[in-house]
Amino acid sequence: AQSVSQHNHHVILSEAASLELGCNYSYGGTVNLFWYVQYPGQHLQLLLKYFSGDPLVKGIKGFEAEFIKSKFSFNLRKPSVQWSDTAEYFCAAIYSGAGSYQLTFGKGTKLSVIP
Amino acid sequence: EPEVTQTPSHQVTQMGQEVILRCVPISNHLYFYWYRQILGQKVEFLVSFYNNEISEKSEIFDDQFSVERPDGSNFTLKIRSTKLEDSAMYFCASSYSTDTQYFGPGTRLTVL
Repeated sequence: AQSVSQHNHHVILSEAASLELGCNYSYGGTVNLFWYVQYPGQHLQLLLKYFSGDPLVKGIKGFEAEFIKSKFSFNLRKPSVQWSDTAEYFCAAIYSGAGSYQLTFGKGTKLSVIP
Repeated sequence: EPEVTQTPSHQVTQMGQEVILRCVPISNHLYFYWYRQILGQKVEFLVSFYNNEISEKSEIFDDQFSVERPDGSNFTLKIRSTKLEDSAMYFCASSYSTDTQYFGPGTRLTVL
């Protein structure tokens, strides 16, 4: 079965520190990749997505992610975090090659940014 | 910006009771989904719905579950006879194409 794994359960950073959250996906043919964010008390929001083309994708709020096919990875990065980035971050994939459009989620990484 | 809405935000029910969770997808979207997240676990896909029928469902989506789009705006998830293990956050999502899914705020279901 297809799966998505996120390496870190909880990351604590000081403001202005750089962020990298790991995400790996299992092989399954054509894969579309997403990062969603859930701020406290709010719903899941799309940060960025990768379908094809340039493997470095830029999203909202200064986030970016790099698709590395050889490593089955799609890590999320931000050069300098702010307190307002405190949230839970979810990596997800759609394995569209089999005609499926369900999102397969990782467990999520909770990010706490200390002012 | 249009949003997916869900009601109620929190539902408490007794084991064996039926519950209906309601969602209003974004108005021009064509694909509708339900996911759930049991506390401490991953967000899991339940079902997708397109053109007035189920297009895909997971193993979780057994005969106790059903979905309906009763009118042009609502999308509902019914659990016929709730069990303790149905306690979870239930998320509705919608998309215009088989592309980006937009999520609602969720309904927390507590089964006692």
